Amino acid sequence: NAGVMQNPRHLVRRRGQEARLRCSPMKGHSHVYWYRQLPEEGLKFMVYLQKENIIDESGMPKERFSAEFPKEGPSILRIQQVVRGDSAAYFCASSPGAGGDYGYTFGSGTRLTVV
Amino acid sequence: AQRVTQPEKLLSVFKGAPVELKCNYSYSGSPELFWYVQYSRQRLQLLLRHISRESIKGFTADLNKGETSFHLKKPFAQEEDSAMYYCALSVKTNNNAGNMLTFGGGTRLMVKP
Repeated sequence: NAGVMQNPRHLVRRRGQEARLRCSPMKGHSHVYWYRQLPEEGLKFMVYLQKENIIDESGMPKERFSAEFPKEGPSILRIQQVVRGDSAAYFCASSPGAGGDYGYTFGSGTRLTVV
Repeated sequence: AQRVTQPEKLLSVFKGAPVELKCNYSYSGSPELFWYVQYSRQRLQLLLRHISRESIKGFTADLNKGETSFHLKKPFAQEEDSAMYYCALSVKTNNNAGNMLTFGGGTRLMVKP
């Protein structure tokens, strides 16, 4: 079991470009969570998805950010027209069920740098 | 509203000294609390959860509902314990469809030789 896989590990984008971050959950996990870690800050919840459904996106900025978890393939976090403030580490976690008791397994993260 | 507070951004101790990383929470429901550790440039790893009441790498944490705290303790710190530690609370999503983790701001533990 390869665990939660995120790619790329590092991503550099110029201001105004699009960033696409991918997350493949652990085998058998159908719940995916995205978190953002700004420099010198803790992790902030962004969005919670199940296959083909967004369960909670209360932590997502209203503009430029979107997420999906299609029936086939990885979950994608998309940031359009990136700005310097988007530079952060983006972590994905997965769990087999909806409750906290199931535990959450984290990926290694994608470090986005906007230049 | 649910909230997790870790009052110390940095905690520096000498090897062999006791360690206590503070965590306080605010939640109207029944709390499920976790400690995660992040070693340098690695992924977050679950250290322990309050429901299992186990000791991992010498660390323990007791849930104190009266004080709404879940402090992480270790009697004798080791250099390899140096890492970021995050306290997390599992909370219901807005629509009650599931749970998600709310994290504290993290505490960087530095254990000096």
